[in-house]
Amino acid sequence: KQEVTQIPAALSVPEGENLVLNCSFTDSAIYNLQWFRQDPGKGLTSLLLIQSSQREQTSGRLNASLDKSSGRSTLYIAASQPGDSATYLCAVRPNYGGATNKLIFGTGTLLAVQP
Amino acid sequence: NAGVTQTPKFRVLKTGQSMTLLCAQDMNHEYMYWYRQDPGMGLRLIHYSVGEGTTAKGEVPDGYNVSRLKKQNFLLGLESAAPSQTSVYFCASSYAASRGSSYEQYFGPGTRLTVT
Repeated sequence: KQEVTQIPAALSVPEGENLVLNCSFTDSAIYNLQWFRQDPGKGLTSLLLIQSSQREQTSGRLNASLDKSSGRSTLYIAASQPGDSATYLCAVRPNYGGATNKLIFGTGTLLAVQP
Repeated sequence: NAGVTQTPKFRVLKTGQSMTLLCAQDMNHEYMYWYRQDPGMGLRLIHYSVGEGTTAKGEVPDGYNVSRLKKQNFLLGLESAAPSQTSVYFCASSYAASRGSSYEQYFGPGTRLTVT
């Protein structure tokens, strides 16, 4: 059974610092991995989607990498800002279960960027 | 273009009461999903639908029923609410997937349900 783990559960950094969030998964048989952002009391916003054949994806100050064989992904945030404060979730789409596009989520990392 | 909307935003129920959560999307997505989010457990899939008139069980379906009578709507029902169903419920939608394609899921803002 696929399990997704995110460490640390919470992280506090000063503004301007570069930081890395970690995601690990137990089964390398995945189609893709997504990183989401969740603001308090809000829904999820998709940040980056990495296909299983890709090594990384970039969007602005965000860079996500994927090492499928080792079951790891990282989300790198450059020059962090207080507006980056949120919970970051990763989710994998397993390649079993047919074409249902189901996702399995980690428990998230709560990021606080201090001004 | 409103994306994915959910009603209501908040609700308090007594044990044994019933209710229906409504999800609507205006992106013409084929697939729709209901998740629940609990502290320390992440999001877990309750039920999903791959098209109008079809539904299937997810990871935690017990105590819930769903219906997809129209492509744009996905309803989640609780027939007899229990305190264990206190949670935040999220609806999501996406284009149809296949083995060779991957599409993002778009999420609604959530419904916070408390069962006393």
